[in-house]
Amino acid sequence: DAGVTQSPTHLIKTRGQQVTLRCSPISGHKSVSWYQQVLGQGPQFIFQYYEKEERGRGNFPDRFSARQFPNYSSELNVNALLLGDSALYLCASSLGAGVWNEQFFGPGTRLTVL
Amino acid sequence: AQTVTQSQPEMSVQEAETVTLSCTYDTSESDYYLFWYKQPPSRQMILVIRQEAYKQQNATENRFSVNFQKAAKSFSLKISDSQLGDAAMYFCAYRSVISNYQLIWGAGTKLIIKP
Repeated sequence: DAGVTQSPTHLIKTRGQQVTLRCSPISGHKSVSWYQQVLGQGPQFIFQYYEKEERGRGNFPDRFSARQFPNYSSELNVNALLLGDSALYLCASSLGAGVWNEQFFGPGTRLTVL
Repeated sequence: AQTVTQSQPEMSVQEAETVTLSCTYDTSESDYYLFWYKQPPSRQMILVIRQEAYKQQNATENRFSVNFQKAAKSFSLKISDSQLGDAAMYFCAYRSVISNYQLIWGAGTKLIIKP
């Protein structure tokens, strides 16, 4: 079975631009979470979606938005990019949204903002 | 707010030896989950082991075991018979049962295995 997939693998943008990152969960998983991992740090929670509804949001500005589609795939959008948005963006999927559900991570998208 | 602290930025161990990675956390909640994740250089985060706070017995997964001290808010990971494939960043993470949607992560410990 395929694991969590993310696209693109790498992305280079300039300040002020907008970016869309994509995530396909493991088949049968209905929950997707997004994390930002700045180099040398642990991940920071951005969003969780379950059954196409936002279940939680971390401490990120409104420039960050996300959505989940009927097939449970998800997109993370970041507007008006700043240099500080450069990071590895991780997507994780789980069967459900409950705390006992193991989260399976994708390989991430490396975003560089110049 | 909950916090997770990993005080060892880097640890090294000889192959086949045992190493312990430290993690402390701060919370006012009584029920929660704790996790250790491994992130190899290829970047994919992998769950190593997890502990439910209401279970007193320490979790074990093959060569990996934890020492969970709830009163001290300590959650260390012991790796026995270290192997070259264990080299990675190790992250400790906390997940509340109440606000269960997010994992709260430590800064990570880089584990180096010496052949």
